[in-house]
Amino acid sequence: AQSVAQPEDQVNVAEGNPLTVKCTYSVSGNPYLFWYVQYPNRGLQFLLKYITGDNLVKGSYGFEAEFNKSQTSFHLKKPSALVSDSALYFCAVEDGGYNKLIFGAGTRLAVHP
Amino acid sequence: EAQVTQNPRYLITVTGKKLTVTCSQNMNHEYMSWYRQDPGLGLRQIYYSMNVEVTDKGDVPEGYKVSRKEKRNFPLILESPSPNQTSLYFCASRNLEGTGELFFGEGSRLTVL
Repeated sequence: AQSVAQPEDQVNVAEGNPLTVKCTYSVSGNPYLFWYVQYPNRGLQFLLKYITGDNLVKGSYGFEAEFNKSQTSFHLKKPSALVSDSALYFCAVEDGGYNKLIFGAGTRLAVHP
Repeated sequence: EAQVTQNPRYLITVTGKKLTVTCSQNMNHEYMSWYRQDPGLGLRQIYYSMNVEVTDKGDVPEGYKVSRKEKRNFPLILESPSPNQTSLYFCASRNLEGTGELFFGEGSRLTVL
């Protein structure tokens, strides 16, 4: 069965420092992997996706994610965090062709000035 | 502007009083889906629709109904709401072609007393 794990409920980082939000997955076929961000009182917004090709994927707002097939991970990264990056981040996985997206529980990112 | 619109955004109701949460998208997307978001559980899929008159259950369909009579609309119906349906609900849509990302509505916060 497909599953997504975000092992950290919350990540704290100082502004200007690099950030990493972790995600591991379990899927039977070739995974399609996504990151979404949710700001307070808003719906989820797409950040980036991995379908195939280069393991390093670049997305919106300076975020990137690295696909690691051997570790079944898809960690979200940013070289220099901003206070405005503070939000709830969701990793999601889809078995190609099934149109069913499984979300992780979410990780709250807090960037301190 | 491309968007997914949900109504109402906030609703307090009582057990057993039927209610409908509307969802409309203006992007001509074939695929639409309803999720509920609960703390620590991430987003769980309630129902989804691949096109007009085609709907299917997600992971937590009990107590909910949907219909897809028109491509743009995908209402969520709670025939007899119960307190365990108190949650934050999101409607989302996307194209079926390729591996497009989901577009989310702003959410509907429902409280059942």
